[in-house]
Amino acid sequence: GESVGLHLPTLSVQEGDNSIINCAYSNSASDYFIWYKQESGKGPQFIIDIRSNMDKRQGQRVTVLLNKTVKHLSLQIAATQPGDSAVYFCAEASGAGSYQLTFGKGTKLSVIP
Amino acid sequence: NAGVMQNPRHLVRRRGQEARLRCSPMKGHSHVYWYRQLPEEGLKFMVYLQKENIIDESGMPKERFSAEFPKEGPSILRIQQVVRGDSAAYFCASSPETDTQYFGPGTRLTVL
Repeated sequence: GESVGLHLPTLSVQEGDNSIINCAYSNSASDYFIWYKQESGKGPQFIIDIRSNMDKRQGQRVTVLLNKTVKHLSLQIAATQPGDSAVYFCAEASGAGSYQLTFGKGTKLSVIP
Repeated sequence: NAGVMQNPRHLVRRRGQEARLRCSPMKGHSHVYWYRQLPEEGLKFMVYLQKENIIDESGMPKERFSAEFPKEGPSILRIQQVVRGDSAAYFCASSPETDTQYFGPGTRLTVL
């Protein structure tokens, strides 16, 4: 069936370094992708999104890259800070109107001070 | 502008009891979604509602689970005759259109 998955379940980075979190998706018909950050005991927090007609989108300290050829999505966090420590999920929107989000299992990012 | 509100934040029920989870969307948002999250897993879509209408309940178990979003008041996810397997975190999200979904803090349901 269709699925969204992550390459690395855990990632440890030094404070100040850049982080890259990867995600693979299998539904070639998906046209909307979102990255969420979830801190312990909280709900997912929207970080950045991208539509399939784009390859790259930048936000504040974050960049999302979309490679439709290999169905791969990545989240880059510049100058990682301790407050970035969390679980990061990529989600794929499917269904009419692109509302039904399919989440991967998540990558836990730990920032070493 | 307050975010998505959910209550209660924690709910403990014994097997066979009913659980009612409430969600108030962000102001101006008329689309509500419910998701379930098991420990160390991603969220799983359950149901999508607009005011007084269930648009898509394809992710909801056929029995014991129901959802509503009345004209007035919060959206309610209702689980009847809870079993231990229902223990999970339940998240509600809202959006102004079928657009970016903003999530609430979740309700953590524990079934004893």
